Amino acid sequence: EIVLTQSPATLSLSQGERATLSCGASQNVKSNYLAWYQQKPGQAPRLLIYDASTRATGIPDRFSGSGSGTDFTLTINRLEPEDFAVYYCQQYGSSLLTFGQGTRLDIK
Amino acid sequence: QVQLQESGPGLVKPSQTLSLTCTVSGGSISSGSNYWSWIRQPAGKGLEWIGRIFTSGRTDYNPSLTSRVTISVDTSKNQVSLKLNSVTAADTAVYYCARGAVWSGYFYPFDVWGLGTKVTVSS
Repeated sequence: EIVLTQSPATLSLSQGERATLSCGASQNVKSNYLAWYQQKPGQAPRLLIYDASTRATGIPDRFSGSGSGTDFTLTINRLEPEDFAVYYCQQYGSSLLTFGQGTRLDIK
Repeated sequence: QVQLQESGPGLVKPSQTLSLTCTVSGGSISSGSNYWSWIRQPAGKGLEWIGRIFTSGRTDYNPSLTSRVTISVDTSKNQVSLKLNSVTAADTAVYYCARGAVWSGYFYPFDVWGLGTKVTVSS
């Protein structure tokens, strides 16, 4: 099983700032099959990034993903009020799909 | 536009079987490029992948649940089903169905999710 560890657990920032969220894998993620999701209270997760760095349809370009192998990053530039949510990484490179435990992005 | 809708009992007694259905609208569940997953989320906690089924019928399950879980497809009804046996309070969660894809050997993650359905295990 590939264990994904996200850091920090909580990130407190102000609107307009840049957020940097990390996701570390316990072993290489095959083909960099790493996705990022955003989840707001009472809603289902929404796909933001797949293949580590490709934005999903309709996702603003202030969201970007990077990394490979075992270390991945989600960067959100110029935080907007609607960006404050919980973010999960997920790997889909093995037959056992796993999620990170999430990073909560709070308004400072 | 494909939409997913989960349905099923909101309350299940301990030791019984949790049965949920995900109805797919706006597209065929038999599309050769998709796989269908169940994911759950206990209140205030993170996401746990339960398992998936491909249009070929192949299934993958989370090893922590594999002895209790069955995912199946009813193409005539355009539905994906989840059965989880011998439930306990630890199975209380919001259950989501989600769609992934595989094209020419390339895998894609969950781009469409249902709204989720809350299941409580209690006597």
